[in-house]
Amino acid sequence: DSGVTQTPKHLITATGQRVTLRCSPRSGDLSVYWYQQSLDQGLQFLIQYYNGEERAKGNILERFSAQQFPDLHSELNLSSLELGDSALYFCASSVGVGRHRGFYGYTFGSGTRLTVV
Amino acid sequence: DQQVKQNSPSLSVQEGRISILNCDYTNSMFDYFLWYKKYPAEGPTFLISISSIKDKNEDGRFTVFLNKSAKHLSLHIVPSQPGDSAVYFCAASAPQGAQKLVFGQGTRLTINP
Repeated sequence: DSGVTQTPKHLITATGQRVTLRCSPRSGDLSVYWYQQSLDQGLQFLIQYYNGEERAKGNILERFSAQQFPDLHSELNLSSLELGDSALYFCASSVGVGRHRGFYGYTFGSGTRLTVV
Repeated sequence: DQQVKQNSPSLSVQEGRISILNCDYTNSMFDYFLWYKKYPAEGPTFLISISSIKDKNEDGRFTVFLNKSAKHLSLHIVPSQPGDSAVYFCAASAPQGAQKLVFGQGTRLTINP
């Protein structure tokens, strides 16, 4: 158990629908990152939040949005879903927003597998 | 724009031999590199890292080599064990960019008994 909790583990939904993926970061971590892994693709950075505020944005579609709540958990909202949105969605967390001595990158959750049919 | 590339989707190595996984990058601003290991149905886990001020970092059976002039890094696993069978991701970070990591596509390593 990495300490980063993602729910649900699996999600099957139809095209055009909206879903919400949830992430609870490791205790003490203030930064949350969302990544998408499509078939045979690497991990594509979507968005980062730090202590409730958006800090960095990657190739996130306008149909996708995210937020981080006061208790530091984060949600990724995916709307008007298309077949191509089927992927593994990973949440990761880290202590701060800048790199620090002994930076070990992120701690990842086990992911949510989204299947759009 | 694939800034971090792992050109070998898969690699098969015999148990006890050396496994060498390669990674190339294009962004000269990257100054910190990490390797992650991923088992099925789990998230990636941190394995080893290296700063651009070094050309080698070793941790037990795992060694990462960095060649800045070639923008290339490699992960050596010696000796390879069956439990090393996993997908390995190379990742890079730049000083700016709020700690964002850029990942390669991953290499699936299979260790054969």
